[in-house]
Amino acid sequence: QLQLQESGPGLVKPSETLSLTCTVSGDSISSSTFYWGWIRQPPGKGLEWIGSVYYSGDTYYSPSLKGRVTISVDTFKNQFFLRLTSVTAADTAIYYCARNKSGFYSSLKYWGQGTLATVSS
Amino acid sequence: DIVMTQSPDSLAVSLGERATINCKSSQSVLYRSSNKNYLDWFQQKPGQSPKLLISWASTRESGVPDRFSGSGSGTDFTLTINSLQAEDVAIYYCQQFYRTPLTFGGGTRVEI
Repeated sequence: QLQLQESGPGLVKPSETLSLTCTVSGDSISSSTFYWGWIRQPPGKGLEWIGSVYYSGDTYYSPSLKGRVTISVDTFKNQFFLRLTSVTAADTAIYYCARNKSGFYSSLKYWGQGTLATVSS
Repeated sequence: DIVMTQSPDSLAVSLGERATINCKSSQSVLYRSSNKNYLDWFQQKPGQSPKLLISWASTRESGVPDRFSGSGSGTDFTLTINSLQAEDVAIYYCQQFYRTPLTFGGGTRVEI
């Protein structure tokens, strides 16, 4: 059974870099056709797609965050990562990792439980 | 970007009654060659991650009760919850995956 688990520091200072890890179990991140993505949700607000990565390293990013965001993958550790630079209070959110059903243009079927990242000095 | 607009923002429905949620996209999400609408519906209960309810606008996911149904095509979509149950209290989101960036509606809160 596929499981995704987010991890990372709960508190980040303004202007610093937020780094999160999604650990995948129950499936190989190298499985062909699947994309692995990050979505965030500010407290009490809606959902925002951040970007997605293929095991080969191919990525899609939201233009609103492009330039600050990097998503990468480590197939040996069966993990993928989110790196968001120059954070502000507006980046405070629950960050979810997720996997598509098949191919990038498909449903976000599997989600982690989410991890809260707070930007504050 | 494709803007997804949901209505209403919230609604209160009596147990056993019907809830209807609308979602409108700023451009068509119908992929003509496959005749599929690239539109999903998610349910998010308090403190939980979103759960995929309906894919391709109208296909219920395995294990989703049949009181949930999705309809619509092109730019206008509807999620209907027939005979609302207490466990259906949640926020519901539509989302398009027709074009990047993937975008979500603002959500509709369903209460009893």
